[in-house]
Amino acid sequence: DVKVTQSSRYLVKRTGEKVFLECVQDMDHENMFWYRQDPGLGLRLIYFSYDVKMKEKGDIPEGYSVSREKKERFSLILESASTNQTSMYLCASSFGLGDPLKYEQYFGPGTRLTVT
Amino acid sequence: DQQVKQNSPSLSVQEGRISILNCDYTNSMFDYFLWYKKYPAEGPTFLISISSIKDKNEDGRFTVFLNKSAKHLSLHIVPSQPGDSAVYFCAGGSGTYKYIFGTGTRLKVLA
Repeated sequence: DVKVTQSSRYLVKRTGEKVFLECVQDMDHENMFWYRQDPGLGLRLIYFSYDVKMKEKGDIPEGYSVSREKKERFSLILESASTNQTSMYLCASSFGLGDPLKYEQYFGPGTRLTVT
Repeated sequence: DQQVKQNSPSLSVQEGRISILNCDYTNSMFDYFLWYKKYPAEGPTFLISISSIKDKNEDGRFTVFLNKSAKHLSLHIVPSQPGDSAVYFCAGGSGTYKYIFGTGTRLKVLA
């Protein structure tokens, strides 16, 4: 079974704090993704990584950065948390080669972040 | 610009009846589509996929239909069960690993 784990299910941080969200996958997937889910807006891609130390901006990268030092681990960093970053954060991973229909993404359980 | 749209935020269906969830897309480069189901407090789980070379794909109670000319796809669940109550997301991609997700439709199956 593919497993994508996220370091915290719930997190409460103060405005201006630096926040780290960690994600680990055990399927040797090349690709890893960070999304945020907000009511009425669906899943929006923040950043993705297709290899170690490689990253690309998604649709809403402002205010975020990422780090991928090892293949199985992908971190999302909020440099200075703001209240508009209160959201559900979802990490996902997928294979990187072959049939695109096999690029289905496996998601972690999510981290609900509240910034006060 | 929302490339993938799910115009119905919610849908209620009686148990045993058909549930039809709709999805429209604007990007004509999309070649692959996925449907995900999401329960509260869990990550989305993959449900079914379809390639643009097909117009239908079936997996048990779930069937996805694709109308390329209309840029429209739909997910049919027959028969609907209370356990199908969840938020459903469609996603479109163009042969890479990056998919664009819709806003989701909350399905409630009434017992």
